[in-house]
Amino acid sequence: DAGVTQSPTHLIKTRGQQVTLRCSPISGHKSVSWYQQVLGQGPQFIFQYYEKEERGRGNFPDRFSARQFPNYSSELNVNALLLGDSALYLCASSFPGAGTEAFFGQGTRLTVV
Amino acid sequence: QQQVKQSPQSLIVQKGGISIINCAYENTAFDYFPWYQQFPGKGPALLIAIRPDVSEKKEGRFTISFNKSAKQFSLHIMDSQPGDSATYFCAAEGTGRGATNKLIFGTGTLLAVQP
Repeated sequence: DAGVTQSPTHLIKTRGQQVTLRCSPISGHKSVSWYQQVLGQGPQFIFQYYEKEERGRGNFPDRFSARQFPNYSSELNVNALLLGDSALYLCASSFPGAGTEAFFGQGTRLTVV
Repeated sequence: QQQVKQSPQSLIVQKGGISIINCAYENTAFDYFPWYQQFPGKGPALLIAIRPDVSEKKEGRFTISFNKSAKQFSLHIMDSQPGDSATYFCAAEGTGRGATNKLIFGTGTLLAVQP
């Protein structure tokens, strides 16, 4: 069975640019969450989507947005990139409902220069 | 109140020894406590999780001890092996009505098991 897949694996962008990261959840999982992991820190929750609706949002600026498609895949968009946005962006899929196991992808390493 | 504090930041253990990582939380709404293992270049993978209705849970060489009154929980890795060398994260989540899949992670512990 395929796990959570994320693309691209690595990305280099310039300050001020926009980026789109993609995630395909495990088959049967309808909930997708996004996390930002800065080097040396734990992942920080950005968004959760379930049934194409935003169900939770972390403490991130409006430059961050996301959406979920009918096939439950998801995109994370970040506008007006800052150097501080450099991080590993992780996608996790799960069955809906808190307390269910979250399966993480290998992440997208974003470097902003 | 949303923080999960994790210690130590790094840990060196001899092969066959016991690795112990501690976490503490403040939000009493948290009621699901997973531990994740992360290797370089990989996403976190669930190791073991506990809910506050039990004080201990064991799976193989991994044990979670939970102290609800102290709002603390810990991971014990018995018979530590070099292959256990990784970064370990504790996390917490509230599962009450209307809760979402929002994991609050600790800052991580870099474990090195020396052969």
